[in-house]
Amino acid sequence: AQKVTQAQTEISVVEKEDVTLDCVYETRDTTYYLFWYKQPPSGELVFLIRRNSFDEQNEISGRYSWNFQKSTSSFNFTITASQVVDSAVYFCALTPNYGGSQGNLIFGKGTKLSVKP
Amino acid sequence: NAGVTQTPKFRILKIGQSMTLQCAQDMNHNYMYWYRQDPGMGLKLIYYSVGAGITDKGEVPNGYNVSRSTTEDFPLRLELAAPSQTSVYFCASSYTRGPPGRGWYEQYFGPGTRLTVT
Repeated sequence: AQKVTQAQTEISVVEKEDVTLDCVYETRDTTYYLFWYKQPPSGELVFLIRRNSFDEQNEISGRYSWNFQKSTSSFNFTITASQVVDSAVYFCALTPNYGGSQGNLIFGKGTKLSVKP
Repeated sequence: NAGVTQTPKFRILKIGQSMTLQCAQDMNHNYMYWYRQDPGMGLKLIYYSVGAGITDKGEVPNGYNVSRSTTEDFPLRLELAAPSQTSVYFCASSYTRGPPGRGWYEQYFGPGTRLTVT
């Protein structure tokens, strides 16, 4: 079975603090993709990153960074020097490569991040 | 391109009423999906379609029906609405990218429909 676990339901930080959102996944597939989405208070889903299972290189994009560790089945997301605009619900999601599924995403329950000024 | 569009944005239904949530995409994607997002939860797959005329159930299909007569449209029908169907509904479409064996589905989401059943 495939499953994504985001153990942190809510996190509250003060602006400029660093914060890490945890994501642990389960899958029997040998190739798969992991994603992070942001859902601001307005409700839409904003794509942040896609990572494939055969590339464990970490990724940095501005204040955002992602740490993928296949050995622990984790794909954690760190925001450096958080800002009020980072306040949102963040979802981690999983899908097999397109040979192994119909393409739907398996979502975690999300982590609600509140950044206070 | 308009991308994935959904109508209506908000709707309040009484218990037992029926309605259709509309979803359309103008990207010529073969794959389309309906998800629901309950409060404090992630998205769960209701139905999906791999092309016109082909649909299949996802994780939580009970109480819903779909059809896919064209590539562009993928409406979701709620029959006999129940309070348990109060949720935000997202439609999505996708196409495959990347090399064989290592590709992925590039997924595009609509803005969502917030439905309340009282």
